[in-house]
Amino acid sequence: AQKITQTQPGMFVQEKEAVTLDCTYDTSDPSYGLFWYKQPSSGEMIFLIYQGSYDQQNATEGRYSLNFQKARKSANLVISASQLGDSAMYFCAMREGRTGGFKTIFGAGTRLFVKA
Amino acid sequence: EAGVTQFPSHSVIEKGQTVTLRCDPISGHDNLYWYRRVMGKEIKFLLHFVKESKQDESGMPNNRFLAERTGGTYSTLKVQPAELEDSGVYFCASSQGLAGIRQETQYFGPGTRLLVL
Repeated sequence: AQKITQTQPGMFVQEKEAVTLDCTYDTSDPSYGLFWYKQPSSGEMIFLIYQGSYDQQNATEGRYSLNFQKARKSANLVISASQLGDSAMYFCAMREGRTGGFKTIFGAGTRLFVKA
Repeated sequence: EAGVTQFPSHSVIEKGQTVTLRCDPISGHDNLYWYRRVMGKEIKFLLHFVKESKQDESGMPNNRFLAERTGGTYSTLKVQPAELEDSGVYFCASSQGLAGIRQETQYFGPGTRLLVL
């Protein structure tokens, strides 16, 4: 069974607008971490934001915030005030703290296009 | 501080040949990981080193793949003999190993794009 699901293969957003990239996950491990990575066309994977399963508040890092809804098992990434440089592939990922070791499980990714 | 580096950035080889990929982790990072993304699919975990020891190699697809990390610094991933289905992007990542499992941030390199013809 897929553990990380990103249902949007591609998304378009107008520059300066906000955009939400969806991510749902599946785990029975009560201890887990959720991550978002950005992969621009140059290929490197850039860590954006982290949310722990026990964290009470949604994580924020600059223009990035993670809308964590634990009961729904969703961890959507919100990018505020989109910039042209935000055009990239975005991966949602999870690590299970008790059962998964250090392996990170990735979703299929969402390609974001920011329009000028 | 230099990030994770990988060499080569691209490799095109014929089926049956051998290819060796190299990864240099961030200095001081004891944990090193290999992942790969084959055409259009998810990024999949291959294995995890702690210093020079293999901690978890559950993701290695078969015995044609051999990973080493002599001296606990850089790592190599050898594919011998390469098959068509081995084509994809091979990522290396590293982490300090100080945080707990679930929150340890893994920093990725730019990947090696391997094409087997």
